Amino acid sequence: DTEVTQTPKHLVMGMTNKKSLKCEQHMGHRAMYWYKQKAKKPPELMFVYSYEKLSINESVPSRFSPECPNSSLLNLHLHALQPEDSALYLCASSQPTNRTDYGYTFGSGTRLTVV
Amino acid sequence: SQKIEQNSEALNIQEGKTATLTCNYTNYSPAYLQWYRQDPGRGPVFLLLIRENEKEKRKERLKVTFDTTLKQSLFHITASQPADSATYLCALKYTGTASKLTFGTGTRLQVTL
Repeated sequence: DTEVTQTPKHLVMGMTNKKSLKCEQHMGHRAMYWYKQKAKKPPELMFVYSYEKLSINESVPSRFSPECPNSSLLNLHLHALQPEDSALYLCASSQPTNRTDYGYTFGSGTRLTVV
Repeated sequence: SQKIEQNSEALNIQEGKTATLTCNYTNYSPAYLQWYRQDPGRGPVFLLLIRENEKEKRKERLKVTFDTTLKQSLFHITASQPADSATYLCALKYTGTASKLTFGTGTRLQVTL
């Protein structure tokens, strides 16, 4: 299995809702990432987990809360979002080392719309 | 802060020609540089990785060069095909920034018949 699976593919939520995005990989990768991508912009890093521990938080607002329950799963819990948070949310995984010629494996993303 | 610029927002070329995309960065050299392809509504797909001590990498019709003096990487697609039409992103990882991959602005390539 050489892919990253993200669910749901599309999500519409109100500003008072609580929802979660899910990401799963079975490639044995020990680093997992959340990126946010707005239209016609590059992906922007939000969080990095390495060996199931949060190693990087790019000053993301607390209304986004990541969780890594085990080495295969990564969640992003959403609460009290704003319309400007509408974007494509991408999960990725990789080996947490520079000693590889492989890049990141990305999922297809969750298209989030906040109304 | 680091800036990573891909100096063509869009590039149109004819089928069969070689497409050349540019990635320029500021400040210090990255540990390595990667190139990705992204289709609309999809996640990026990894294509090639080149390290700071490497000059060139090839994979099938793809070639990447890395010039740390010019602070520039070139990405070439030879014998381009309409199926190569997509957005291409360069991404850099700097030494000391554990697992932090930063993407360039992207170039949208359109290959026409």
